[in-house]
Amino acid sequence: DIQMTQSPSTLSASVGDRVTITCRPSQSIGRWLAWYQQKPGKAPKLLIYMTSILESGVPSRFSGSESGTAFTLTISGLQPDDLATYYCQQYHSWTWTFGQGTMVEIK
Amino acid sequence: QVQLQQSGPGLVKPSQSLSLTCVISGDSVSNNSAAWNWIRQSPSRGLEWLGRTYYRSKWYNDYSTSVKSRITIDPDTSKNQFSLRLSSVTPEDTAVYYCASGPVTGIFDSWGRGTLVTVSS
Repeated sequence: DIQMTQSPSTLSASVGDRVTITCRPSQSIGRWLAWYQQKPGKAPKLLIYMTSILESGVPSRFSGSESGTAFTLTISGLQPDDLATYYCQQYHSWTWTFGQGTMVEIK
Repeated sequence: QVQLQQSGPGLVKPSQSLSLTCVISGDSVSNNSAAWNWIRQSPSRGLEWLGRTYYRSKWYNDYSTSVKSRITIDPDTSKNQFSLRLSSVTPEDTAVYYCASGPVTGIFDSWGRGTLVTVSS
């Protein structure tokens, strides 16, 4: 199975900050990468798919990109509502796998 | 807007089978552009995709290699729902179980609320 490694595991930032989360797959996955947001006690919510396509209804401050072998989720202008854990997921190869998560805290 | 309503017991004894059901509203389990998945989450294993069922002129199933010998996912067209059965459970199977739907490509754009299943005697 493809291993997905996220960094950092936790980050603390202030409202208005630009936040970046990185995801590195153990092998090539093309652009078959999605990002999810999970708030405490809730199910994950799809934010981005195919590396950079924003799911309908997701605020435009969220964006996704790829650079070399790494994928990035960026929150441009962190909001209090963004307090959550963020997960990447590859859907290129069986078995589909998730990263271990990045917890975003608000300073 | 697809809504998924999960049900099933929250406590299962070791060596027994875990069974959960997911009722679909706003879509059909026979929709030939959708897939119906089970995913679990635990502190030790994180988010783990378990398997799916989908209809493309006939029914198909795909299962994770980690549970392939123990898992069954079945659609029920008469009740517009799908179910999960995981046999021979151990405490390692303790997790929050989610049903989720999405396109067959492999993303999950609708989720149930989750069911905490504890495996304990």
